[in-house]
Amino acid sequence: LAKTTQPISMDSYEGQEVNITCSHNNIATNDYITWYQQFPSQGPRFIIQGYKTKVTNEVASLFIPADRKSSTLSLPRVSLSDTAVYYCLVVRNTGGFKTIFGAGTRLFVKA
Amino acid sequence: EPEVTQTPSHQVTQMGQEVILRCVPISNHLYFYWYRQILGQKVEFLVSFYNNEISEKSEIFDDQFSVERTDGSTFTLKIRSTKLEDSAMYFCASTLTGTSEETQYFGPGTRLLVL
Repeated sequence: LAKTTQPISMDSYEGQEVNITCSHNNIATNDYITWYQQFPSQGPRFIIQGYKTKVTNEVASLFIPADRKSSTLSLPRVSLSDTAVYYCLVVRNTGGFKTIFGAGTRLFVKA
Repeated sequence: EPEVTQTPSHQVTQMGQEVILRCVPISNHLYFYWYRQILGQKVEFLVSFYNNEISEKSEIFDDQFSVERTDGSTFTLKIRSTKLEDSAMYFCASTLTGTSEETQYFGPGTRLLVL
């Protein structure tokens, strides 16, 4: 599975847009890029998933360039409640599937 | 919104004891997973399960661990003889299919403390 690399931590202020970039140089053709959010003592929660170009939902946008070797999660106008760990995952169907979490990016939103 | 549930929320046990962690996946889901997260560390994949068989497992999932689908709805993780290093949050997840474009739904976790 492709290894992912993302910043260990980021700080932001309420109301700002936050962009978290993840690199996945060894991504394979069938792999999807997925982002999860995790609050302390809770299970990871799905945010967004994409294969290529841009995906947007009510929570975030995901930008994936043509070579798919990186992706950027964009959170518009963050609030204090967006303080969490954000995981970039490359997910492959192995008939099952096996999901490998990286260390994640700890986002801290300040007032 | 449908959700994955887990019981108990917390479990304290003595080293060497057996523990069973329980999960009720989303009702029409067919693939089930266990993960663990040691305090302050990343989420680690343990095992995936489909059609009453293990599909994939990690190096962590050794002979001390077993999984089972019981009573048609509950998915259990058994640790036969717990060790101190088994102390962690254990998360269950489920998906409708096993395809890579599908979302995994995670439960709230069971915090296991081995003394």
